[in-house]
This record gives sequence, structure tokens and C-alpha cells, in this order.
Amino acid sequence: KQEVTQIPAALSVPEGENLVLNCSFTDSAIYNLQWFRQDPGKGLTSLLLIQSSQREQTSGRLNASLDKSSGRSTLYIAASQPGDSATYLCAVKGGTDKLIFGTGTRLQVFP
Amino acid sequence: AAGVIQSPRHLIKEKRETATLKCYPIPRHDTVYWYQQGPGQDPQFLISFYEKMQSDKGSIPDRFSAQQFSDYHSELNMSSLELGDSALYFCASSFGRGGGEQFFGPGTRLTVL
Repeated sequence: KQEVTQIPAALSVPEGENLVLNCSFTDSAIYNLQWFRQDPGKGLTSLLLIQSSQREQTSGRLNASLDKSSGRSTLYIAASQPGDSATYLCAVKGGTDKLIFGTGTRLQVFP
Repeated sequence: AAGVIQSPRHLIKEKRETATLKCYPIPRHDTVYWYQQGPGQDPQFLISFYEKMQSDKGSIPDRFSAQQFSDYHSELNMSSLELGDSALYFCASSFGRGGGEQFFGPGTRLTVL
């Protein structure tokens, strides 16, 4: 059974710092991995999708890497801003339709 | 760009009542997914449809049913509601069933009293 873990569970940093959020999964037989952002009580915004054959994806200040063999992905946020404050979720897709989510990293960036 | 539309956004029901949640996928997306997110929890997969046929099933109670219509919109029907059904219900859509990116709607917040 696939299990997805995210570390740290919470993170509070001053504006301008570069951040690394970690995601690990137990079954390396994944199809793809998505990173999402969720604001309190709101929907999920897809940030990046990495296919199993890819090593990384970049979008603006965000860079996500994938090491499938070791069951790890990292989300790198450069020059963090207060508007980045949210919960960040990673989710893996195996051979079925469903995404299996981690429990998230709650990020707070203060001015 | 058009996003996934869900209605209603908020719903309050009494125990043992029924509820219907609607989802309108992104145009040209043929796959719809339903997820349930309880308070303080991560989203849990319920069910998915591809080209109007059920394609995968997760931890969906027997009291719940869903379908996808010819225009690709989907409805989640929930009967005999229980207090524990109170949650945020997300619909997501993608193009195809393979490695496609899933785009999520804003969710329907269901409160069962």
C-alpha cells in the first residue's frame, strides 16, 4: 500500500528565504507526482506535475525534483514571499486513477 | 482559462437527508475524479469516470453513488447522510486517464447537522 509522507509538517520562515519541502513515498512504481498548494478552506491549485520519466520540473520560483528509485521528491521555493503562505501537498499516482496525498507542509512566510 | 466548476459551494443538510453535488470539468477533459477531504485531513479518493464509464473506485460508501453524463459533467449523490460525511468534496478533471495532470475545482463544503 502506497504511503506518502511530507516533512516538515510545518515551517515558518522570514520573507526572502529559499525553502525545501520534502515528500517521500513507499512504492516507487508511480506514474507521476503532483505538487499542490491549498489555502485554508480552499481548493487545490496544481503547481507542478512530474512524470515518472522526468527528474525535475520548473515553474517560476518553484522547482520540483523526483528521484523515483529512492521514493523522494523535493519542492524548492526560491525567494519566498508572504503570499506563498499555504499548505503544500504532494500526491502520487500509481497504476490506478487515484492520487494518494501526503499530509502536507504548512508554510508561513512572515514579512 | 476555464477551470473546474462545482456547485453548490456550500451545503447544509440534516442527518438522513440526501445531497447532490455537481461538477463541470474543464472543456475537453474526459475524466472526472471525486475526492473527500475531512477536517485536518488529506484528500481521499472516492471514484472516477472516464468517457462516462466508472473507471476506478476508492473508499466510497455504499450510500454514495455517482455518474458522468454525456456532456461530461458529473454528479455525486449522497443518501442517508451522517455527521461524519461533513467534509470538503473536490472534483478534479483531466484529459485522458494516463499521466494527465489533475485539475481541482474549488470544492463543495458539506455540513451535516
